[in-house]
Amino acid sequence: QAVVTQPSSLSASPGASASLTCTLRSGVNVGAYNIYWFRQNPGSPPQYLLRFKSDSDKQQGSGVPSRFSGSKDFPANAGILFISGLQSEDEADYHCMIWHSAHWVFGGGTRLTVL
Amino acid sequence: QVQLVQSGAEVKKPGASVKVSCKASGYMFTAYDINWVRQAAGQGLEWLGWMSPNSGNTGYAQKFQGRITMTRDTSISTAYMELYSLRSEDTAVYYCARNLAHTGDFDHWGQGALVTVSS
Repeated sequence: QAVVTQPSSLSASPGASASLTCTLRSGVNVGAYNIYWFRQNPGSPPQYLLRFKSDSDKQQGSGVPSRFSGSKDFPANAGILFISGLQSEDEADYHCMIWHSAHWVFGGGTRLTVL
Repeated sequence: QVQLVQSGAEVKKPGASVKVSCKASGYMFTAYDINWVRQAAGQGLEWLGWMSPNSGNTGYAQKFQGRITMTRDTSISTAYMELYSLRSEDTAVYYCARNLAHTGDFDHWGQGALVTVSS
């Protein structure tokens, strides 16, 4: 079982909100980890969005709007990227990442469709 | 402004090696680590390893141990990633990205270099 998993796709409407999940394998406690989020448009390199560990330990990427925020769902053992006020330009692939066993580990990415 | 500019696309035969460069500008090269990440077509991101341009220390993903080397030339602010014994599964876009040591804030990325392994 992969250490980090993401749903392959998610759809949402313009103006709505979206919650993208980054689920950690059982036994890998989300509370102990910084969850990093990146956005990637087709044909472009990833862009750093934010880091979230807790409400008191988080970092927004430079120039990243506040409508992008992080949180955790402890019962689900998952990190969450919340995007409010969806815009057409938010349609992209979103990747999460953690540092685990001396490796940076990415989830498989979620393709967000805004329609 | 901060820039990471990578070398161009490469086509290699199975069993060969490839060396990709990543030239940094706009910041102090030795102040940030360089990580290498690859992405096969239609797939997710895969981390290959990191290097400290300051010390030359490296850390490689277990999957690539023995088949990868990361080096740097501080005189020209350039990092290198060399992958050996290439196979078709290594066909991917290879990215460099900088981060402050011990953080995952990969805040600037290179434009990517397509490496195609084909006979």
